[in-house]
Amino acid sequence: EVQLVESGGGLVQPGGSLRLSCAASGYTFSSFAMSWVRQAPGKGLERVSSITHTGDKSFYADSVKGRFTISRDNSKNTLDLQMNSLRAEDTAVYYCVRRYWINGLCYWDYWGQGTLVTVSS
Amino acid sequence: EIVLTQSPGTLSLSPGERATLSCRASQSVSNSFLAWYQQKPGQAPRLLIYGASSRATGIPDRFSGSGSGTDFTLIISRLEPEDFAVYYCQQYDYSLQFTFGPGTKVDIK
Repeated sequence: EVQLVESGGGLVQPGGSLRLSCAASGYTFSSFAMSWVRQAPGKGLERVSSITHTGDKSFYADSVKGRFTISRDNSKNTLDLQMNSLRAEDTAVYYCVRRYWINGLCYWDYWGQGTLVTVSS
Repeated sequence: EIVLTQSPGTLSLSPGERATLSCRASQSVSNSFLAWYQQKPGQAPRLLIYGASSRATGIPDRFSGSGSGTDFTLIISRLEPEDFAVYYCQQYDYSLQFTFGPGTKVDIK
């Protein structure tokens, strides 16, 4: 069974840093690209960052570029998101999501339960 | 970046009724890269439809997706109590870039 379990969320002051982690199990982690998607309270879904299955390329939303860094460790089956210079507008539930690509089809099929990040003084 | 618009914002229906949800893209989207997700309060989104019309594993056949180009539709043929939720469409264009629509809330009339 595929499982994605996020951790590392919490309360942080504006300008502070936080590191989120996602532990993957139940599948060959190194074969799949991964993404972080967030959802501000009462709002919709927003792409934050993605990384290729090998970790050689990463992509960011303009809203977090230069502040957030995505990384993965395929030997440990973990995905991380280092968040620096946090702002109030970064307050959200952050989801770890697996991308599935087969036969020209692409979709995000498994989601973690999410971890809440609150940026407030 | 492709922008997705969903309508209506809220759909108020009774159990047993048919729900028709629309997703419109600012430019053409490949059917292979259009998906729908369901989200209930306090839960993570769940994949419903991929490839515009294929149901994900375990999704009942009252859910169906259709469309092409810039116009896509999700239909719930007969609403069950557990179907009242928010539905998002999503498109993928390139380099792991993807966007979501703002969502349609289906609530009980």
